[in-house]
Amino acid sequence: GQNIDQPTEMTATEGAIVQINCTYQTSGFNGLFWYQQHAGEAPTFLSYNVLDGLEEKGRFSSFLSRSKGYSYLLLKELQMKDSASYLCAVMDSNYQLIWGAGTKLIIKP
Amino acid sequence: DVKVTQSSRYLVKRTGEKVFLECVQDMDHENMFWYRQDPGLGLRLIYFSYDVKMKEKGDIPEGYSVSREKKERFSLILESASTNQTSMYLCASSRGTSGRVNTGELFFGEGSRLTVL
Repeated sequence: GQNIDQPTEMTATEGAIVQINCTYQTSGFNGLFWYQQHAGEAPTFLSYNVLDGLEEKGRFSSFLSRSKGYSYLLLKELQMKDSASYLCAVMDSNYQLIWGAGTKLIIKP
Repeated sequence: DVKVTQSSRYLVKRTGEKVFLECVQDMDHENMFWYRQDPGLGLRLIYFSYDVKMKEKGDIPEGYSVSREKKERFSLILESASTNQTSMYLCASSRGTSGRVNTGELFFGEGSRLTVL
């Protein structure tokens, strides 16, 4: 079967760095996506990885290892507004997204 | 500002009622999707459409139907609502590159929280 695993909840301190991991087993792979979802709001696209390595976008970076079925989202210089759920999704061989349950990130002052 | 708009943020319906959820996008996207989001579960795909009048079943289509008469509009229909359909429903759209290919960058609406009593 297809499976995306990520931690249910994480807590971090304002100004610090946090890494949210995602492991996956899917039928085919056409890219891995990270989305951010604030409570009560729509998910919004953060990043896309299709090749191994690190993609950096400002304070956010996303890493992919296809051989290990593993990705992480790295958030630096955490701000209170980063409190949200972070959703990992993999595009399978049918070009459909398979979603993890999301990681709720709590930022404390 | 690009937008996906869902007709109702909150709905309360009774078991057996017919429910319509409307979604409109202004980005001229080919692909449109309906998901449901439940606590502790990933987004689950109900139906999607990659062109006008085209529809395909997702992972959990039972109890739902859809309609796409115009490119910008994708409707989700619950013919006879049941309590296990109480959920958050999210509509999304994406640009299609060719055929059914989905770029994966989805634009979501704000969601419709449906409660079935």
